[in-house]
This record gives sequence, structure tokens and C-alpha cells, in this order.
Amino acid sequence: EAQVTQNPRYLITVTGKKLTVTCSQNMNHEYMSWYRQDPGLGLRQIYYSMNVEVTDKGDVPEGYKVSRKEKRNFPLILESPSPNQTSLYFCASHASNLNTEAFFGQGTRLTVV
Amino acid sequence: GESVGLHLPTLSVQEGDNSIINCAYSNSASDYFIWYKQESGKGPQFIIDIRSNMDKRQGQRVTVLLNKTVKHLSLQIAATQPGDSAVYFCAERRWVSARQLTFGSGTQLTVLP
Repeated sequence: EAQVTQNPRYLITVTGKKLTVTCSQNMNHEYMSWYRQDPGLGLRQIYYSMNVEVTDKGDVPEGYKVSRKEKRNFPLILESPSPNQTSLYFCASHASNLNTEAFFGQGTRLTVV
Repeated sequence: GESVGLHLPTLSVQEGDNSIINCAYSNSASDYFIWYKQESGKGPQFIIDIRSNMDKRQGQRVTVLLNKTVKHLSLQIAATQPGDSAVYFCAERRWVSARQLTFGSGTQLTVLP
């Protein structure tokens, strides 16, 4: 089954404690992205990756890092989380054909206290 | 910056009626649009897409209409069912930065029995 898998689904952490949210896709997609979803703001792109070792900032990259060492994995790293990073996070992937849908993971609900 | 998606935040329809969800966009250069459905606790799921060289596209029970003159996009759901209750997002993909999806804030569709 084609899918995007994120872990963990839920996470509560304290300010300043580094964390990583993992994302893996099994569709051999070139493009992967991270979004955050906040009430009234919809989905906003944090970072994206066009292929292995190629990443770029989205609309709201501050406070986040990503890496793309393998095609299937695209982890999101928060080096020093802050309460304003409390949000619902989604990983997405799609093929290099530009007219294709993006497949989304189930989401990670992060709370930073 | 340019934006997508001036949505009514909520829409309630009677089961069996047709639903129309609207979206406005401001970037006249956008060439590709997607509608996503997000059920509670899940990631967005692709419903239907349309390119800017089309005015209408039909799927199973869904139709997307694109009016480039007024930069307006709509999603029509025929014979709305309880399982259609969800948040619906329109998203825009711009050719220049085609790996980026810009989402509207979403419309909550509630189907009444």
C-alpha cells in the first residue's frame, strides 16, 4: 500500500529539548515536504526536498531543520523547540511530475510546554 | 504575498443535497489546482485536480470548476453523504515553484441527517 508514515503521532515535550519527527514514504517519490497546520492559517510549508541532499526553505522555516540522506526518509528536526511550535505537522511526498497530487502522512501533533 | 483560499469557514448541507465549496485565488500565474479533503485526525487526501487550461473536471460525485477570469475555484459534491463531512482545502501549485503547495484555510462541511 502506498503511504507516507510519520512518527510519532503525538508528542509532548519541554522547551529547548531537541526532537526529531520522522517521515518515510514507500512510493519512490522525489519530492517531499513538511507542513504545519494551525487553526485559521491552514497548511503552511516549512521545508521541502526535491531529491536526496537537495532541500530548500518553505514559507515558515524558522526554528526547523531537515535532512534528506535517503530518498524515502525526510526527518524534521527541532533543535530547540519553543511553545510557538506547538502545532499539527504533516509530511507529504509526490512524484517529480509536476501535475501530480501530494500524498500526506497521518500527522504529528506536537505540544511544547 | 499572494494567497489562496477565501473560504467560508463552515458549510452545512442536508444529506442527499448537493454541496458547493468555493475558493478564490490571487496568483494569476497559477497553473494547477487541487482539492483536498481532511477528516478529523487524518492527513489531507486528494479529491480532484484541474489545470488552468480547463474550466471543468469531473470525478466520482465531484466536479471542480475553474473561472480564471475572476480567479475562482469551486468544488461541487453531488448527493452529499455523511462520510463527506470533513474540512475541504483548495491548494495551488505555481509552475515557478512547483514543488510548493499553497493552501487555503479550509471549509468545514457538515452533513445533516
